[in-house]
Parts: sequence; structure tokens; C-alpha cells
Amino acid sequence: QKEVEQNSGPLSVPEGAIASLNCTYSDRGSQSFFWYRQYSGKSPELIMFIYSNGDKEDGRFTAQLNKASQYVSLLIRDSQPSDSATYLCAVVGFKTIFGAGTRLFVKA
Amino acid sequence: GAGVSQSPSNKVTEKGKDVELRCDPISGHTALYWYRQRLGQGLEFLIYFQGNSAPDKSGLPSDRFSAERTGESVSTLTIQRTQQEDSAVYLCASSLGSPTSYGYTFGSGTRLTVV
Repeated sequence: QKEVEQNSGPLSVPEGAIASLNCTYSDRGSQSFFWYRQYSGKSPELIMFIYSNGDKEDGRFTAQLNKASQYVSLLIRDSQPSDSATYLCAVVGFKTIFGAGTRLFVKA
Repeated sequence: GAGVSQSPSNKVTEKGKDVELRCDPISGHTALYWYRQRLGQGLEFLIYFQGNSAPDKSGLPSDRFSAERTGESVSTLTIQRTQQEDSAVYLCASSLGSPTSYGYTFGSGTRLTVV
């Protein structure tokens, strides 16, 4: 079992819809999680972090964490074509482990 | 500097040659990481430096790979006797302190092509 698993996609949603990106992790002791966005040919950029169970909202983005079920998700409301990118889930530690990413495509 | 700077941005090398990749972290960032990203793949951890502590080298794929960092400044990643499977984007990231509290800032990467 991979340490961090994400559906590779592509996930295709129409403009204005909610995009839901999911991530599961194997280390039950993991405490902190990041979501990174990576545009094609570019470096990853941090968009959100979460370490408490529940929801964390930042603008159009909501991160959700359920430690009992070992999953973390990212919701993007009112999706825009500019949100089209690969979204990487990361389980934070001194050796942060990244998932392979989910490609999101927002259709105009 | 304002961001994490990596050089060169692109490197094409012949199989068997040695290459050296450079990373200049954000000033004041004590933590520095190297990751490798093959085409269409996720990020593969290579090595982690934190201040003057011994680096975590557990991600280095073979003894052809080595990295150094002097204090809290520039780091170099060296790949000896390059192989075609070494072709990838090598990303450097730095962090102000514990990655639990601070996110990473990534450099723009070095695209390595071994021919």
C-alpha cells in the first residue's frame, strides 16, 4: 500500500461546479497535511494546510480531514478554468510524503 | 533572496557523466529538501537538511547520488555516472522551520535529461 494515495484522474468538472479531490494515507500517526497545486511545467505551490479534524475554509477552497478514516480532501467551489492543474496531497513530517497528484480539468 | 533559486534550469548530459545541481534557499530558512519528479509522476523525497543536524539521506536512490549543504545556505545535489533513468525534474524546497508549522516553498526546478 502506498503511503499517500490519490486518484490520478483526470477529474473533469464544468466551470462553476464543485471539484472534490480525495487523498488517503497509511500512517495513522500522521498529524499535518498540505495541499499543493502544480500547473503543468511549474513547481508546486502551497494552497492549504490542515491538522485538525473537520473543515478548514479559505476562500473557494475547503480542506477536510478525518483522522479516524485516514483521509483528507480538498473541495474547490465555483471552479474556474484557471483551477485546472494537478493537486498534490502531502502528509507532513521531516520526510514529507507526497501523493502522485490528481489532475483537475475545469471546462469553460 | 525572494524565492528558492535553482540552477541550471535545464541540463542535458551524456550517460555516464557527472552533474551538479544547485539550490539557493530563501534567506533564513533552516530546512532544505530535495525531491525528484519524473514525468507524470509525484514527488519522490531524496534528502532533507535541517540546520547543522545530520541530513536525512534515506531517500537517495543509490550511492551515485549525494548532496551537501553548508550551514543554512546553498545546497548542491551531485549525480555521478548519470543514467537515463535519472532524467527528471529535480526540485528543491526550503522551509522556515518545522514543516509541520510552515509549508515548503519550492524552486522552479532543474530539468535533467540524460541522453
